[in-house]
Amino acid sequence: GENVEQHPSTLSVQEGDSAVIKCTYSDSASNYFPWYKQELGKGPQLIIDIRSNVGEKKDQRIAVTLNKTAKHFSLHITETQPEDSAVYFCAAAGGSYIPTFGRGTSLIVHP
Amino acid sequence: SQTIHQWPATLVQPVGSPLSLECTVEGTSNPNLYWYRQAAGRGLQLLFYSVGIGQISSEVPQNLSASRPQDRQFILSSKKLLLSDSGFYLCAWGRGDAETQYFGPGTRLLVL
Repeated sequence: GENVEQHPSTLSVQEGDSAVIKCTYSDSASNYFPWYKQELGKGPQLIIDIRSNVGEKKDQRIAVTLNKTAKHFSLHITETQPEDSAVYFCAAAGGSYIPTFGRGTSLIVHP
Repeated sequence: SQTIHQWPATLVQPVGSPLSLECTVEGTSNPNLYWYRQAAGRGLQLLFYSVGIGQISSEVPQNLSASRPQDRQFILSSKKLLLSDSGFYLCAWGRGDAETQYFGPGTRLLVL
């Protein structure tokens, strides 16, 4: 089955800095890669996703890049703000419609 | 638009007591439905998923069970709770022809 590794487990940045979270996957059949943001005590919320026919996707301050050859994808957050502090999950999914999630990255943005 | 509800939001139960958590989805029909457990504030463990009424697939053997009595209703149950059942339980839905999952607000369960 699919295996998704996510790094780092904790990321601490200063407000205004950029943050990058990286994930690798093992199954070359995976073709859909969502990212979720989970605030304390709440359910994860989809913030951006990318399919394997696209190398990069941007939405305001967040962007996701995908390298199919190397089987890794990354979340980039620019101009971080304190409200970006949360746990971020990556995931990979193929034809089964059941994604495999990474273990999460706790992002802390210091004012 | 679609909305997913979970209740209760918080539950404290003694060991050995039964459990029933409910999840409902509005604004869509024939969704795929999922139950996850999140322990220690981090990883998501898939417990059950359902592609239709009465169709339940179990991912992890344990003392929990799931049922889907109606198209947009998903229930997580236990006859006798264990201390290890404590955690944050998340319900999610997805369209039958897509991989994207949308999560509910979660139920925090504490077994004492």
